[in-house]
Amino acid sequence: SAVISQKPSRDICQRGTSLTIQCQVDSQVTMMFWYRQQPGQSLTLIATANQGSEATYESGFVIDKFPISRPNLTFSTLTVSNMSPEDSSIYLCSVEGEDRETQYFGPGTRLLVL
Amino acid sequence: AQSVTQPDIHITVSEGASLELRCNYSYGATPYLFWYVQSPGQGLQLLLKYFSGDTLVQGIKGFEAEFKRSQSSFNLRKPSVHWSDAAEYFCAVGVSGGYNKLIFGAGTRLAVHP
Repeated sequence: SAVISQKPSRDICQRGTSLTIQCQVDSQVTMMFWYRQQPGQSLTLIATANQGSEATYESGFVIDKFPISRPNLTFSTLTVSNMSPEDSSIYLCSVEGEDRETQYFGPGTRLLVL
Repeated sequence: AQSVTQPDIHITVSEGASLELRCNYSYGATPYLFWYVQSPGQGLQLLLKYFSGDTLVQGIKGFEAEFKRSQSSFNLRKPSVHWSDAAEYFCAVGVSGGYNKLIFGAGTRLAVHP
């Protein structure tokens, strides 16, 4: 499976600011995904990022709040904009495996908004 | 609508005891099913997956799971639990529709007593 890294691993931010999270994979992948895991909760898909096209957002998530870039086949960023304490979560990226069904996850970015 | 139910929020077992974590899904088509494990402060690691064929699948770390279509279940088992198995376990169903989307259950937190 692919090796996936995320930066930063954790951060503490002030409300009203923005944070950009990077996801790097060691091989070329078509689909990348961004998930949110709120404290004590399960994972919820934010959006799907396909290289060369606009990200596809799930219901309840909008581009103005969570802009995503996918400049090439090994990299993606998720920005959490105008943050509030409710945005405190773990943000995880994942990539599609060779079988096009399995997803492999990065280590996550732990965000605390004060 | 597609959904995944993990009825047990917390489970505590003694080291060396057997383990079964329950997972029920709701999905109209043939499901792709996954179990992931999240150790404290870590990302998600794939334990095993079921796409088709033999309904008993073997995974890493001595885990196995059995797909039962009649019960819409995909329970995870391990014959002898180790203290290092203490973690949160997520069951997920893959939903296809242009791109593969994972829907996660709420998770089961496993504690292991020495």
